Amino acid sequence: DAKTTQPPSMDCAEGRAANLPCNHSTISGNEYVYWYRQIHSQGPQYIIHGLKNNETNEMASLIITEDRKSSTLILPHATLRDTAVYYCIVRPTNTGNQFYFGTGTSLTVIP
Amino acid sequence: EAGVTQFPSHSVIEKGQTVTLRCDPISGHDNLYWYRRVMGKEIKFLLHFVKESKQDESGMPNNRFLAERTGGTYSTLKVQPAELEDSGVYFCASSQSGWWTDSPLHFGNGTRLTVT
Repeated sequence: DAKTTQPPSMDCAEGRAANLPCNHSTISGNEYVYWYRQIHSQGPQYIIHGLKNNETNEMASLIITEDRKSSTLILPHATLRDTAVYYCIVRPTNTGNQFYFGTGTSLTVIP
Repeated sequence: EAGVTQFPSHSVIEKGQTVTLRCDPISGHDNLYWYRRVMGKEIKFLLHFVKESKQDESGMPNNRFLAERTGGTYSTLKVQPAELEDSGVYFCASSQSGWWTDSPLHFGNGTRLTVT
């Protein structure tokens, strides 16, 4: 079911930018890319989403390639509290709302 | 605004017993979803309400699971009778009107269910 591919784990030094890649080569033209993260024992937390254009909010930036087959989530200045599992999700429009979480990327921010 | 709240946060029951989980969505959110993560597996969709109507219940594992949303506000998920394989974390999420739009889902912190 999962339509995205992410590396299973990554490390990032505290204060540096964390760049989390995601491949979604079968994405359709009207499907959005969402990013969530899950910190241990909490529910998934919404980060950002986009369709074609790059997006930025107070948490992160989302860079989507021109062909939309991949994207990168950027946490500009990673902190220890950013240690979490990050999920890249392509939202299907035909079924409405079945998010396929996949296995995500476990990001560890190192002091 | 208050986020999605779930109750209880933890529940331990014996096999064969009944458990009811509750979810209060963000006020004004017509869409309500249930997801779960069983041990070692990915987070999986269970079902989706639009107001009080079931929009999609294709992820419900079997007829031991019953979800309701009377009045279109809070929702309950009942497991009866519970089996060992039902152990896991049950998440509820809600989103604003228009399930066909790009409104993000906002998740609660889940109910951790342990069936012994």
